[in-house]
Amino acid sequence: DVKVTQSSRYLVKRTGEKVFLECVQDMDHENMFWYRQDPGLGLRLIYFSYDVKMKEKGDIPEGYSVSREKKERFSLILESASTNQTSMYLCASRLADTEAFFGQGTRLTVV
Amino acid sequence: GDSVTQMEGPVTLSEEAFLTINCTYTATGYPSLFWYVQYPGEGLQLLLKATKADDKGSNKGFEATYRKETTSFHLEKGSVQVSDSAVYFCALSVDTGRRALTFGSGTRLQVQP
Repeated sequence: DVKVTQSSRYLVKRTGEKVFLECVQDMDHENMFWYRQDPGLGLRLIYFSYDVKMKEKGDIPEGYSVSREKKERFSLILESASTNQTSMYLCASRLADTEAFFGQGTRLTVV
Repeated sequence: GDSVTQMEGPVTLSEEAFLTINCTYTATGYPSLFWYVQYPGEGLQLLLKATKADDKGSNKGFEATYRKETTSFHLEKGSVQVSDSAVYFCALSVDTGRRALTFGSGTRLQVQP
């Protein structure tokens, strides 16, 4: 079975903390994505990467950064967490024009 | 830019009822279209897809037909079950430039016994 694994299902962090969300895929996909999911807004793209060390901003990159040092791993970084970053975060990977595969999601609460 | 519009939920149906969830899109080029499903507490799973006009995607009794003339990809099922209760997302991908999928806002389906 193909797999995208996110390191945590639930996280609670304090305002101002630096937060790392990790995602690993075992399918050798070149494309990886971070979305956030909020009620009524669907999934919004934060950042994506099409190769190692390559990254592109999505639709809502403010307050986030990413790292892709290895093909299988894509990390999302909240430089200084704020309460408006409380959300569900979904990682996905994709090979070229095929379907995207998703992780189980990380529900982040910033207090 | 590219966008997907879905009917708002929640949609509440009785078991064995007919389901339609509407989805329309705006895109440059020729998109591929997808329906994803999200069960409670889980990530998204691909339900079905279609890559060109008039294609019909189908899976688990669900169907959707890619209609280029109406820019639509409506999801249908003839007889829903309680286990179909989930959130359904319509999405598109235009395979030039970035490779990310663009999603609609999601439609929650509740099926009552």
